[in-house]
Amino acid sequence: EVQLLESGGGLVQPGGSLRLSCAASGFIFSSYAMSWVRQAPGKGLEWVSAISTSGASTYYTDSVKGRFTISRDNSKNTLFLQMNSLRAEDTAVYYCAKDLRQWMGNCFDDWGQGTLVTVSS
Amino acid sequence: EIVMTQSPATLSVSPGERATLSCRASQSVNSNFAWYQQKPGQAPRLLIYGASTRATGIPGRFSGNGSGTEFTLTISSLQSEDFAVYFCQQYNNWPLTFGGGTKVEIK
Repeated sequence: EVQLLESGGGLVQPGGSLRLSCAASGFIFSSYAMSWVRQAPGKGLEWVSAISTSGASTYYTDSVKGRFTISRDNSKNTLFLQMNSLRAEDTAVYYCAKDLRQWMGNCFDDWGQGTLVTVSS
Repeated sequence: EIVMTQSPATLSVSPGERATLSCRASQSVNSNFAWYQQKPGQAPRLLIYGASTRATGIPGRFSGNGSGTEFTLTISSLQSEDFAVYFCQQYNNWPLTFGGGTKVEIK
């Protein structure tokens, strides 16, 4: 059974930083591209960032480019999202999501339970 | 960026009735298109990918259709567990984008 467990969310002041982690199990983590998707309170889904199996290729939505960095440690089956210069509009539940296929640019067949990031003074 | 527009925003349906949800893409996404279901407090669940292929474990009452810019999700006979919010997603172009959602509520 695929399991994705996010951690690292919390309350942070505007301009601050957080590092989210996603521990994966139940599948060959190094064989699948991964993404982060967020959902602001009461709103829809927004894809944030994606990373290839090796970590060599990454994509970001425009609003987080230059502020967020996605990475992965295949030896530890863990996905990360380093979030800097946080803004109020980054407040959301952040989901770790597994790509349906091994290559990037897919839909997502498994999701974590999400971790809430609140940016507020 | 490809904009995904879902309609209606809310759909009121009685249990056992048929529900049809729509999603329109601002440009062609071919068949690189998915539907998700989300219940309150839960993560989204993949229902349909490739516009018409049911994901693992999804009941046969869910069906997807369409290609290019126009897509539909049909739930043939609504069960109590189907009342939820449904999102569409395109994965033909970066950035990946989702629709705003359709809430299916009990009539």
